[in-house]
Amino acid sequence: DTEVTQTPKHLVMGMTNKKSLKCEQHMGHRAMYWYKQKAKKPPELMFVYSYEKLSINESVPSRFSPECPNSSLLNLHLHALQPEDSALYLCASSQVRLQGVTGELFFGEGSRLTVL
Amino acid sequence: DAKTTQPNSMESNEEEPVHLPCNHSTISGTDYIHWYRQLPSQGPEYVIHGLTSNVNNRMASLAIAEDRKSSTLILHRATLRDAAVYYCILRLGNTGKLIFGQGTTLQVKP
Repeated sequence: DTEVTQTPKHLVMGMTNKKSLKCEQHMGHRAMYWYKQKAKKPPELMFVYSYEKLSINESVPSRFSPECPNSSLLNLHLHALQPEDSALYLCASSQVRLQGVTGELFFGEGSRLTVL
Repeated sequence: DAKTTQPNSMESNEEEPVHLPCNHSTISGTDYIHWYRQLPSQGPEYVIHGLTSNVNNRMASLAIAEDRKSSTLILHRATLRDAAVYYCILRLGNTGKLIFGQGTTLQVKP
């Protein structure tokens, strides 16, 4: 199984709603990532988890709250978002070895978020 | 963080080789050069990566300049399915942090 599965594929929410994006992988990868991609722009890193611990936070606003409950799951909790947060949110995973992250990232197809 | 520079778009004819260039003049000694591609409505897909030496795999070849300030992704025989946005990316050491370039949109003409 070489897939990263993201749900939901599409999400529409109001600025006062609370919602979550979910990501799952069963490749035994111990690093997981959230990226944000606006239309016609490259993905931008938001968070990196390594061995279920947050290792990188790219100064993301607190209205985005990541969670890694176990080695296969990664969540992104959303609260009080703004319309400019509308984007494609991509999850990825990769192996981690003693020397750190090696090899490639495997990306999911993304969750397309629209904030009204 | 170091960054990459790529042409916005390129065209190729089907079954011909394609050379996609990338400049990364501020690369540091521990940064890996990665290439990913993204088809419409899909997540990025890994193509190839390297550190100093040229690399080959079943999808492509990666030619890295001796001073590591530039690299070229080579698709040996372009097909219509290779039409995508190709990202030249620096991975900062073994952190897992990928710094995406703006990408090159490759069009393949039949």
